[in-house]
Amino acid sequence: ETGVTQSPTHLIKTRGQQVTLRCSSQSGHNTVSWYQQALGQGPQFIFQYYREEENGRGNFPPRFSGLQFPNYSSELNVNALELDDSALYLCASSLAGGARAFFGQGTRLTVV
Amino acid sequence: KNEVEQSPQNLTAQEGEFITINCSYSVGISALHWLQQHPGGGIVSLFMLSSGKKKHGRLIATINIQEKHSSLHITASHPRDSAVYICAVPPLNNNDMRFGAGTRLTVKP
Repeated sequence: ETGVTQSPTHLIKTRGQQVTLRCSSQSGHNTVSWYQQALGQGPQFIFQYYREEENGRGNFPPRFSGLQFPNYSSELNVNALELDDSALYLCASSLAGGARAFFGQGTRLTVV
Repeated sequence: KNEVEQSPQNLTAQEGEFITINCSYSVGISALHWLQQHPGGGIVSLFMLSSGKKKHGRLIATINIQEKHSSLHITASHPRDSAVYICAVPPLNNNDMRFGAGTRLTVKP
């Protein structure tokens, strides 16, 4: 068990809706990264938060947004859901500086 | 061309066989991660290495930074080793992580 928990584990949404996914980091970790993993593919980097500020972003549109809270837990928000947003969303926490990352179990989002 | 390439894409082995999964990357890195992903999605970090070799139980990971290549070996493979193995690299001067597409390993009893 890594100490990184994500909720919910599964979620079904309708196209056009909004969704919020949550991640609780490993104790002491101040950095959280979010990834999208489509079926059969490797994860793709969405963004990273360090001490409540966005610290890097991948090639995702602005309707993907995030928050990191003072306790270093984090949210991923996706607005105007599209069918292609159906994927496994993973969060990983680490200490800054490229240290080993610990992954959550993921949230499987299905958009219908 | 992807920045991180893994081979093979799929691998089926008999229990007890020696397994090798390869990873090549094109970006400059300080370390490389090997991850294991079981059905259902959970990812476990197996190794983070920046040089030489690391061993944990039946798993061995090697890296050659000059050649930008890493291998993950599994000795005496077992059906419980069946999973997707992913190579991931954090590029230098960057905050994200680049992932290979994964190698799906199936070990048959």
